[in-house]
Amino acid sequence: GQSLEQPSEVTAVEGAIVQINCTYQTSGFYGLSWYQQHDGGAPTFLSYNALDGLEETGRFSSFLSRSDSYGYLLLQELQMKDSASYFCAVRGGGYQKVTFGTGTKLQVIP
Amino acid sequence: EAGVVQSPRYKIIEKKQPVAFWCNPISGHNTLYWYRQNLGQGPELLIRYENEEAVDDSQLPKDRFSAERLKGVDSTLKIQPAELGDSAVYLCASSPNSGTRKEQYFGPGTRLTVT
Repeated sequence: GQSLEQPSEVTAVEGAIVQINCTYQTSGFYGLSWYQQHDGGAPTFLSYNALDGLEETGRFSSFLSRSDSYGYLLLQELQMKDSASYFCAVRGGGYQKVTFGTGTKLQVIP
Repeated sequence: EAGVVQSPRYKIIEKKQPVAFWCNPISGHNTLYWYRQNLGQGPELLIRYENEEAVDDSQLPKDRFSAERLKGVDSTLKIQPAELGDSAVYLCASSPNSGTRKEQYFGPGTRLTVT
């Protein structure tokens, strides 16, 4: 099967940088995605990594190391509106199954 | 472009009653997912469709849950009979056909409360 681990909570200061880590287990890896979900809202797609290295999208970047089964989401210039839960999701296996992690709740404080 | 549409947004039922959720994916998206999300947890895949074919229903509790996707567009998820433990948010998502990212676009969800 597939499994993921990510920290349950992270607190960071407005304007700072925060990194949310994710380790995964899967067979037949296809890619690692990141989603943001505000309380009461639906998950929204942030980024996707299929190859090793860093992908940058504005203030958000995502990194993948397939040899370490590890990735992270980097949020720069934190804003209060970034307070949300962040989920990593791995796609793998014969059916390219997508499995979500349990999420990291980010609290941005002034 | 319209997003994923789900209805109802909220549903309260008594245990042992049936309930159904409806989803209309983004136009042209062939892949459709149903997830269940409990409070403080990540979405848990129930079933994935490619067009009208269910390609992954391994985590769908088939004794009480059923789903269909007629004509490869709209989809319905049903629970019969509902149990207290079914209280959760049921999310529908769809993915575009092209590209490798297969990013998922989620609907607002249906919050189910079973009493």
